[in-house]
Parts: sequence; structure tokens; C-alpha cells
Amino acid sequence: SAVISQKPSRDICQRGTSLTIQCQVDSQVTMMFWYRQQPGQSLTLIATANQGSEATYESGFVIDKFPISRPNLTFSTLTVSNMSPEDSSIYLCSVEEGQSYGYTFGSGTRLTVV
Amino acid sequence: AQSVTQLDSQVPVFEEAPVELRCNYSSSVSVYLFWYVQYPNQGLQLLLKYLSGSTLVKGINGFEAEFNKSQTSFHLRKPSVHISDTAEYFCAVSDGGDYKLSFGAGTTVTVRA
Repeated sequence: SAVISQKPSRDICQRGTSLTIQCQVDSQVTMMFWYRQQPGQSLTLIATANQGSEATYESGFVIDKFPISRPNLTFSTLTVSNMSPEDSSIYLCSVEEGQSYGYTFGSGTRLTVV
Repeated sequence: AQSVTQLDSQVPVFEEAPVELRCNYSSSVSVYLFWYVQYPNQGLQLLLKYLSGSTLVKGINGFEAEFNKSQTSFHLRKPSVHISDTAEYFCAVSDGGDYKLSFGAGTTVTVRA
């Protein structure tokens, strides 16, 4: 299965600033996903990122707050903009490999906003 | 979108005892079902998945799950747990062809000696 490198693994940020999270995959994948896991909660899908097209955002998430780039088939970034303490969460990227419904997850970015 | 209910938020269990984690989902014509495990400070690891075929699915680390279409359930079982099975377990569902995963709230399994 694909190996995902997600960076940074954790960060502590000041409110009002932005953080960009990177997700690098060791193989080409069509579909990449970004999830948020708030403290003690389950995972919520933020958006689906396909190469060559705009990301598709789920209800409650907007591009101005969570801009996503997908420049090629192995890389994506998620930016958390104008952060507030409510953005403190674990952010995870995920890929779907070859239409086999084999979803692989990165190790996550633990974000704390102070 | 699917709704996923994990009926137990916390499951304490003694080492070498069996464990069952319950998962129910909202009905659909066809669904794909998954169980993931999340160890402390780590990402998610796939335990097993059901796409089609036999309703009893065997996964890694001795886990298995049974798909029950009439009861819209996908319960996870392990006959004998180890201390190392202490983790958070998530049930996830995808509508066939949707590619989006909906997750349950998670079940915390704590294995004690």
C-alpha cells in the first residue's frame, strides 16, 4: 500500500496566523482527502482533492479557511488560515489507491492554536 | 451521506478475554465497510474491510468482522485480546462509488492485565 509522509507532525501556532500541512505520497494516486479530528472526536472530511481540479469541500468547510493545493499526483497541501483555538485538532490526509477502496492515512498533524 | 453509530464509547477488557465492538450504519443499496485502529499519537491503520462476497471478513492482528445486511451492522470481534490492542477503533462506511468515508465516533478499548 501507499506510504504517506505528512509534515509537520505537530505544531503550536499563534491565533491569527496560518499553517500549511504537506502530504507526500510515494506513488501516484488520483484521489486525496483531508480530514479533521477534533479532540476526543471522530474524523470529519474537510475536502476531496483531485489533481487538476478544484478541491471539493464538505458542508461547513470553505476554501477561504482551508485552501488546498494538488499540483501533481503525489502531493497535496492543506492550509489552515487565520487560526483560532477552535482549529486545534489533528489533521490527516488520506489517499484512495486504485479504486480498490484501500484508503491509507498519513500519521497526522497535531495542531494547537494558542 | 452515511450515518455511522458505534454503540460503545469505551470498552474495558481483561487480557486474553474476547471483545466485540458494535457498529451500525444507515441503510443503503450498497455499502463498503471498514474498521480502522488508531494507536496513541498515530494515524489510522486499516484492520479490515468489506466490499462484497463473504459476510465474515478476517483482518490483521486476529480481528474479524461480520456484515449483516438485514441489521445494517458490521461488528468487530477478537477472541483473545492483548495489552497491545489498547487503542481507539473506528468504524467507517462508504456508499458504493462515493469514495467518501463516514466515520463513527470511535470506541476506546483498554486492555488490562
